[in-house]
Amino acid sequence: EVQLVESGGGLVQPGGSLRLSCAASGFTFSGYSFNWVRQAPGRGLEWVSYISSTSSTIYYADSVKGRFTISRDSADNSLYLQMNSLRDEDTAVYYCARSLDMKVWGQGTLVTVSS
Amino acid sequence: EIVMTQSPATLSVSPGERATLSCRASQSVSSNLAWFQQKPGQAPRLLIYGASTRATGIPARFSGSGSGTEFTLTISSLQSEDFAVYYCQQYNNWPPLTFGGGTKVEIK
Repeated sequence: EVQLVESGGGLVQPGGSLRLSCAASGFTFSGYSFNWVRQAPGRGLEWVSYISSTSSTIYYADSVKGRFTISRDSADNSLYLQMNSLRDEDTAVYYCARSLDMKVWGQGTLVTVSS
Repeated sequence: EIVMTQSPATLSVSPGERATLSCRASQSVSSNLAWFQQKPGQAPRLLIYGASTRATGIPARFSGSGSGTEFTLTISSLQSEDFAVYYCQQYNNWPPLTFGGGTKVEIK
């Protein structure tokens, strides 16, 4: 079964850091690009970051550029999002989604930034 | 950045009726447009890509049309499981990938 499972969310204070993970299974991880997409409580979807299959191309939304870092590890079939200097407005459910067409999504992990 | 605008924000429809959702792009996105469905507490699900191609397993009552800046998602006969929020998303001119604000389809 093709599956993405996010983890690593939680409560963090403003200015803090968190590392999200997305474990992939049921397909050849190295053959696909990935995205992180987030959704603030009661709000719409916001694209956060993209990484190509070889990590040669990486993009970020302006709202997270310089604070978040996307990476991947084919050895453990995982995608990561390192989030630093977190702000209240980063509070959201964070989803990983496979490929530009986003045909496969994880169930999401909640990040709450609050003092 | 391409801005995607969806209308209406909320659509009240009776089961069995037709629903028509609109999505407008601030500049042409060709046919590089996708539609997603999201139910409460769930991840989004891809319905349509390439403006009009149904994703695997999506029922034929869902259809997409349009190109350039004007797009439509039509649900021909609403079933109970179709009441949800629908998002359009462009992948023609990126980064950033951009989503519309969503249309909530509710029971009338």
